[in-house]
Amino acid sequence: EADIYQTPRYLVIGTGKKITLECSQTMGHDKMYWYQQDPGMELHLIHYSYGVNSTEKGDLSSESTVSRIRTEHFPLTLESARPSHTSQYLCASSERQEDEQYFGPGTRLTVT
Amino acid sequence: QKEVEQNSGPLSVPEGAIASLNCTYSDRGSQSFFWYRQYSGKSPELIMFIYSNGDKEDGRFTAQLNKASQYVSLLIRDSQPSDSATYLCAVFRYNQGGKLIFGQGTELSVKP
Repeated sequence: EADIYQTPRYLVIGTGKKITLECSQTMGHDKMYWYQQDPGMELHLIHYSYGVNSTEKGDLSSESTVSRIRTEHFPLTLESARPSHTSQYLCASSERQEDEQYFGPGTRLTVT
Repeated sequence: QKEVEQNSGPLSVPEGAIASLNCTYSDRGSQSFFWYRQYSGKSPELIMFIYSNGDKEDGRFTAQLNKASQYVSLLIRDSQPSDSATYLCAVFRYNQGGKLIFGQGTELSVKP
């Protein structure tokens, strides 16, 4: 079973607040990913990292930022939350790019 | 045209029947193929992966890959109501830096 964790699981926050969504994995995977998914819609890759100090933007433009200071930790930050950021955020990791990705439980964010 | 295409469904089958889920992809160089199951409000979980042409069986699930025709399918035998979920096809694209591309998912409903 994959060991990848996300906190918080649910977050309701007001417009303009700064938030950080946490993601950590204990599998020693170099590759980590953030996806955004609205209900009933497809996954959109918003950020990925192939190792410490390496981060890239994904296919979907996002106002969020990420950092990768430690292998096991890949937090996502929104400097000023807006209602348009309301969505589910899923973190994933893999051993190699071409391997299966293991997903965390997700964070459901609501910005009021 | 999307890189990975699936019928969005919903696909409805009676309990005990075979459910057939299909996926086509555009990158002829793709080598790794994955099927994920996602229950409503939950994160995707890996069901199967397949790398070689032909069939791969795991319990009630069979993945089929035909690289010449660029399609991959998932058969679920003896479908159960608990199989009701959205099934995501994912294909690893080697070119342009390498990336796992997800289809939009097929919603499966198994009726008792």
